[in-house]
Amino acid sequence: DAGITQSPRHKVTETGTPVTLRCHQTENHRYMYWYRQDPGHGLRLIHYSYGVKDTDKGEVSDGYSVSRSKTEDFLLTLESATSSQTSVYFCAISEHSSDTQYFGPGTRLTVL
Amino acid sequence: AQTVTQSQPEMSVQEAETVTLSCTYDTSESDYYLFWYKQPPSRQMILVIRQEAYKQQNATENRFSVNFQKAAKSFSLKISDSQLGDAAMYFCAYRSARNTPLVFGKGTRLSVIA
Repeated sequence: DAGITQSPRHKVTETGTPVTLRCHQTENHRYMYWYRQDPGHGLRLIHYSYGVKDTDKGEVSDGYSVSRSKTEDFLLTLESATSSQTSVYFCAISEHSSDTQYFGPGTRLTVL
Repeated sequence: AQTVTQSQPEMSVQEAETVTLSCTYDTSESDYYLFWYKQPPSRQMILVIRQEAYKQQNATENRFSVNFQKAAKSFSLKISDSQLGDAAMYFCAYRSARNTPLVFGKGTRLSVIA
């Protein structure tokens, strides 16, 4: 299995609170992705990164920001959490020479 | 934009039998990749099988095989000799070029009946 960890694994927070989710990889892969999973929607892309300090928006990026200051870490921030951001968040990684993405274990976020 | 459609929200199969999960996609690209991921109750996303569009031969991985029909834009997953451990949510996914983000279908929940 690819070395990908996500922290925290579970979080409950209140509306209006800032939240940061962390994805950490030990594979030195260039590409990293954040997806959210909601019932009836599958997984949808929030943001992705194609290198340190290089990021781009995905399909559902509103209300989220990301940062990647080093290869191994990709942070997802909810500046002011809303109930609509209650979801399971997955990080994924891939390498330039590979067509396959590998996923972290996911973070379940509940916004009350 | 590319889209992926899984028309079967739920499926069930008897243990040891064969089941086929459907997936269709829409793209104007000629070169792309298709994937099936399995998500068991543990929530981990597990790659089951992948297909490169330029390869005519259907991919197989042990009891899992695909029927890739490029002209019809169809990519179905066949699970043979179904086992209780196959019970999971299955997602079909597409990507147009190396390291572009995946586009997922909404998933099919597979139940295996003992």
